[in-house]
Amino acid sequence: QKEVEQNSGPLSVPEGAIASLNCTYSDRGSQSFFWYRQYSGKSPELIMFIYSNGDKEDGRFTAQLNKASQYVSLLIRDSQPSDSATYLCAVSHSGGSNYKLTFGKGTLLTVNP
Amino acid sequence: DAGVIQSPRHEVTEMGQEVTLRCKPISGHNSLFWYRQTMMRGLELLIYFNNNVPIDDSGMPEDRFSAKMPNASFSTLKIQPSEPRDSAVYFCASVGTNSNQPQHFGDGTRLSIL
Repeated sequence: QKEVEQNSGPLSVPEGAIASLNCTYSDRGSQSFFWYRQYSGKSPELIMFIYSNGDKEDGRFTAQLNKASQYVSLLIRDSQPSDSATYLCAVSHSGGSNYKLTFGKGTLLTVNP
Repeated sequence: DAGVIQSPRHEVTEMGQEVTLRCKPISGHNSLFWYRQTMMRGLELLIYFNNNVPIDDSGMPEDRFSAKMPNASFSTLKIQPSEPRDSAVYFCASVGTNSNQPQHFGDGTRLSIL
């Protein structure tokens, strides 16, 4: 059983702070890692993907991957109230998202003004 | 471009009835995924298709669930007979052959079985 684990939260941070979201996965053969954001009542939307060990930055978002520790994280700098959502970590066994993804249950983030 | 289109958006029906959910993927996408989301179990993959062919249906909970993709622009997920524990939000997603592209999700169907 391939599993993806996330803290369910809620994670509460003040506006302007750094929010740190964590994810661990059980399948060592996993190759692709994705972070989706889901607003309440809406569908998931991709915000970051990462394939290689290390950091990947995109604006206020940084994804970090450590395959040896089977750990992937998402940092959100200068958090805004509009970042309040559930963040889903997803893992693929292949090198892309056109293969099946296994999702964690998500971490609810609340950014307080 | 039109996104993934799902219908209906909401469905309320009584236990034992047949339910059919529909999905139109983004034009040109060749992979289609059906997911179910509940508070308890999160977002679970039910089945996915590549080029209209079912590749992995290991997530389909039981024989009451079936999915078809008769052509590249249409897929259905059917539940017969439906049960209250099937109540969930069902998402359809599609993606093209470029592996660096994300799966695009539809708005989902909120299903309530009474």
